Amino acid sequence: DAGITQSPRHKVTETGTPVTLRCHQTENHRYMYWYRQDPGHGLRLIHYSYGVKDTDKGEVSDGYSVSRSKTEDFLLTLESATSSQTSVYFCAISESGRDNEQFFGPGTRLTVL
Amino acid sequence: QKEVEQNSGPLSVPEGAIASLNCTYSDRGSQSFFWYRQYSGKSPELIMFIYSNGDKEDGRFTAQLNKASQYVSLLIRDSQPSDSATYLCALRKRGSTLGRLYFGRGTQLTVWP
Repeated sequence: DAGITQSPRHKVTETGTPVTLRCHQTENHRYMYWYRQDPGHGLRLIHYSYGVKDTDKGEVSDGYSVSRSKTEDFLLTLESATSSQTSVYFCAISESGRDNEQFFGPGTRLTVL
Repeated sequence: QKEVEQNSGPLSVPEGAIASLNCTYSDRGSQSFFWYRQYSGKSPELIMFIYSNGDKEDGRFTAQLNKASQYVSLLIRDSQPSDSATYLCALRKRGSTLGRLYFGRGTQLTVWP
């Protein structure tokens, strides 16, 4: 998985609790992305980062926040988890924002009860 | 209108046949196109990318791009049961320096022996 790890790999939580997912890369790539994947919707971009402390919103950012204090780590936080945030979350990295392809981590399966 | 449209399938072909996967897009400013393969329960993995009109071949895979007609396709020759997966089409728009990709919902391919 191109030197990308995600933690935890599986998590079950309750509605209203905060949840943080971690993406860690060893490739020193500048760009990092968080996606969610749901049946019938495909991959949808939540947030992305183009450098330390530089982040921007994707198409489904409501209810999520991110932080990137180091090149290698990109954190996704659900401030107050809801059942609609039950999904599989993928992190991806890219060396360049221009022509380089994205490589995906193994994913985190999150269930919000 | 979604940025990227794919027939969700399922597409079923016999072993040894050619599988043809198609993708259309709405924004003529789209510049780069990517095909990912995703096995059930796994993360997407990049198969090919194509930037220029025409064909690009890599082993048993051929990507075809027609910007005038706004479609991109992936041909898999000599299909094998191990090719059974969901294939995701993605694109990057012209001027996107942050590497944002737009994904289709994927086409499920089954290759039967």
